[in-house]
Amino acid sequence: NAGVTQTPKFQVLKTGQSMTLQCAQDMNHEYMSWYRQDPGMGLRLIHYSVGAGITDQGEVPNGYNVSRSTTEDFPLRLLSAAPSQTSVYFCASSYSAAASGNTIYFGEGSWLTVV
Amino acid sequence: AQKVTQAQTEISVVEKEDVTLDCVYETRDTTYYLFWYKQPPSGELVFLIRRNSFDEQNEISGRYSWNFQKSTSSFNFTITASQVVDSAVYFCALSGLTGGGNKLTFGTGTQLKVEL
Repeated sequence: NAGVTQTPKFQVLKTGQSMTLQCAQDMNHEYMSWYRQDPGMGLRLIHYSVGAGITDQGEVPNGYNVSRSTTEDFPLRLLSAAPSQTSVYFCASSYSAAASGNTIYFGEGSWLTVV
Repeated sequence: AQKVTQAQTEISVVEKEDVTLDCVYETRDTTYYLFWYKQPPSGELVFLIRRNSFDEQNEISGRYSWNFQKSTSSFNFTITASQVVDSAVYFCALSGLTGGGNKLTFGTGTQLKVEL
């Protein structure tokens, strides 16, 4: 059981480049989300999805796009990378909403540096 | 708004010492959940425990124990007889309906260093 799988694990981008962080889960979870982790700030929610075809913004959505065409996959797109997007990105999934108390499972993280 | 405060940025202990990581939260919800996650040097987030707001029983799991006190809005985590493998960043997190119910609100984390 792979759980939540993120790729790539490490990436260096130049300012203005675009890229997609991939996330896949094999637990048939409806809820998926992307968080970013910055020093001294904990993790903050970027975007989330409550099921295939449904996405919404979190706390820090600017500069990121998401889509959810299947239950399994939830890619995060950076259309024009900026140094402020240098961070560690975590994909997460759960059976239902965080407020229901279900355990939220996290991927191993993707370290992104924008130069 | 929801808020989680982990006032201890970094704690250093010697192996076999007991250590308590503090977590204080704020929420207007009457039903909410509290979590602890461990982030070892390898970077992944490891789920440790979940506690709902109606269950104030303390919990013990091996060397780990958690003390939930609604009266002080705290959910503290104690490691007994710490080991070098406990060295990690520990995050306390909160979920509830405030903010849409679809996210965890994290504290800023406590870096625990256990030395020989």
